[in-house]
Amino acid sequence: DVKVTQSSRYLVKRTGEKVFLECVQDMDHENMFWYRQDPGLGLRLIYFSYDVKMKEKGDIPEGYSVSREKKERFSLILESASTNQTSMYLCASRGYNEQFFGPGTRLTVL
Amino acid sequence: QQQVKQSPQSLIVQKGGISIINCAYENTAFDYFPWYQQFPGKGPALLIAIRPDVSEKKEGRFTISFNKSAKQFSLHIMDSQPGDSATYFCAASKKGGSEKLVFGKGTKLTVNP
Repeated sequence: DVKVTQSSRYLVKRTGEKVFLECVQDMDHENMFWYRQDPGLGLRLIYFSYDVKMKEKGDIPEGYSVSREKKERFSLILESASTNQTSMYLCASRGYNEQFFGPGTRLTVL
Repeated sequence: QQQVKQSPQSLIVQKGGISIINCAYENTAFDYFPWYQQFPGKGPALLIAIRPDVSEKKEGRFTISFNKSAKQFSLHIMDSQPGDSATYFCAASKKGGSEKLVFGKGTKLTVNP
């Protein structure tokens, strides 16, 4: 059974904190993605990576960075969390066609 | 050209009825069209997908209809059940895993008992 796991289901952080969201996939996929999901705005792509140490900006990269040191792991970093980054964060990995999502991390920034 | 337009935004259906969600795209290079189902508080799960070389694909109560000339595809849920109540997303991408999926905005389906 294919699996994408995310380090936390729920996270509460304070404004200005550095936040790490981690994602691990066990499908040996080269392509991994980070999205945020907000009511009425659908799924918005933050960053994606098509290989180790490679990254590409998505539609809303501002305020975020990513790291991919190993093929199975893709991390999203909020350098200085702000309240407008309160959201549901979804990681995904993709083989040739099929893309699979993790369970999501609900991040609240106070 | 990168957009995928999904309608309706919300849909209420009685148990046993047919739920129909429609999507339209512009980019003729799109080659892969999946549908995702998302329950509250969970990540989207791949439900069913189609390639443009077929006009219909059926898996259980779920059917994708694809109209290449109209650049439209739709999800039909037959004999809708309360357990089908979820948000559904259509998506499209070009061929290959490094291509990004372009998602519709989602349809919130409610199936009343």
